[in-house]
Amino acid sequence: SQTIHQWPATLVQPVGSPLSLECTVEGTSNPNLYWYRQAAGRGLQLLFYSVGIGQISSEVPQNLSASRPQDRQFILSSKKLLLSDSGFYLCAWSGPRTEKLFFGSGTQLSVL
Amino acid sequence: GIQVEQSPPDLILQEGANSTLRCNFSDSVNNLQWFHQNPWGQLINLFYIPSGTKQNGRLSATTVATERYSLLYISSSQTTDSGVYFCAVVSGTYKYIFGTGTRLKVLA
Repeated sequence: SQTIHQWPATLVQPVGSPLSLECTVEGTSNPNLYWYRQAAGRGLQLLFYSVGIGQISSEVPQNLSASRPQDRQFILSSKKLLLSDSGFYLCAWSGPRTEKLFFGSGTQLSVL
Repeated sequence: GIQVEQSPPDLILQEGANSTLRCNFSDSVNNLQWFHQNPWGQLINLFYIPSGTKQNGRLSATTVATERYSLLYISSSQTTDSGVYFCAVVSGTYKYIFGTGTRLKVLA
């Protein structure tokens, strides 16, 4: 069966520090991969999605970036975090025809 | 882009009550899912329902794609049903766009 791993579960970082969040999927090949962000008490905002290795689509202009170095690995990065980057970050995957969407357990990021 | 609106935004129920949550979308969709986000932040798949009706225990969902809405029914609510309910749609390709959510609290 397919599983999605996302880590770390919580992260506290100072303003201006770099960020790297990693997500991996097991049990499937050629998935669509997604990064969403959820501010406290708000809905889910799509940040990036990828339909293949090295293919990244950005939905929201910001100081974050994403990379897909392997078929089942998706990385969210920042060179310098801002206070406004705080939030709950969720990785998700779907099949290549964008059927059901499945989420990882999320990372609570606090930028202080 | 497509707009996805959910109503009501907040709902408080006594345990055992029934409720209907609505999801309206502004354009035709290829796929639609309902999710429950529990108090720990986990997003749980409830239904994959681009059209038609499905039931799973006390929950059921109906999507009328031609009229651009979907409904989630919760019967005999329990305190464990508390959390936020989201619908999400795919319009075009690849991207799941989430609705505004309904925050449900079930009182014992």
